[in-house]
Amino acid sequence: QKEVEQNSGPLSVPEGAIASLNCTYSDRGSQSFFWYRQYSGKSPELIMFIYSNGDKEDGRFTAQLNKASQYVSLLIRDSQPSDSATYLCAVYYYNQGGKLIFGQGTELSVKP
Amino acid sequence: SQTIHQWPATLVQPVGSPLSLECTVEGTSNPNLYWYRQAAGRGLQLLFYSVGIGQISSEVPQNLSASRPQDRQFILSSKKLLLSDSGFYLCAWSVSGMTPTIYFGEGSWLTVV
Repeated sequence: QKEVEQNSGPLSVPEGAIASLNCTYSDRGSQSFFWYRQYSGKSPELIMFIYSNGDKEDGRFTAQLNKASQYVSLLIRDSQPSDSATYLCAVYYYNQGGKLIFGQGTELSVKP
Repeated sequence: SQTIHQWPATLVQPVGSPLSLECTVEGTSNPNLYWYRQAAGRGLQLLFYSVGIGQISSEVPQNLSASRPQDRQFILSSKKLLLSDSGFYLCAWSVSGMTPTIYFGEGSWLTVV
């Protein structure tokens, strides 16, 4: 089992719709979870992080964490063409000396 | 505010040639430093991380090495490049002892020909 898994996509949504991006992880001891956005040819940029079960909202973005199911997601409301990018889920593995492990990323395409 | 600089931005190197990528962080002291690689269409692979001067942890055994000669300087090297070393190399930093949010540099595109 991969440490952090994401559907590679591409995920295509119409402009104005809600985009839902999912991520699962294998280490039950993980406490910190991150979402990054990466435009083609650029370095990843942090969108938000979440530590506690439940939802965390930041503007059009909502991160959801369910530690029992080892599942974290990112919702993007009112999707815009400028949201088209690859979204990377990252999990902090304390039991491996403290490392941030990334999933393969999900490519999102928002169609006008 | 903290900034991270990475260079060179792009380079094309022949197989068997050496490599040196450099990264510096400004505006913070004793950061955790990281080197990641991203092959075309792939996710981020952690190569090395460092929690202090001279302290390097290697994640993937290969022909790459890393050094941290100064607190805010991180260098990625190779004596002889392979075709498989091509990719997007990213230096990153995080605050030592705090929440493990990491921030990336601009990246270096390496093409080995």
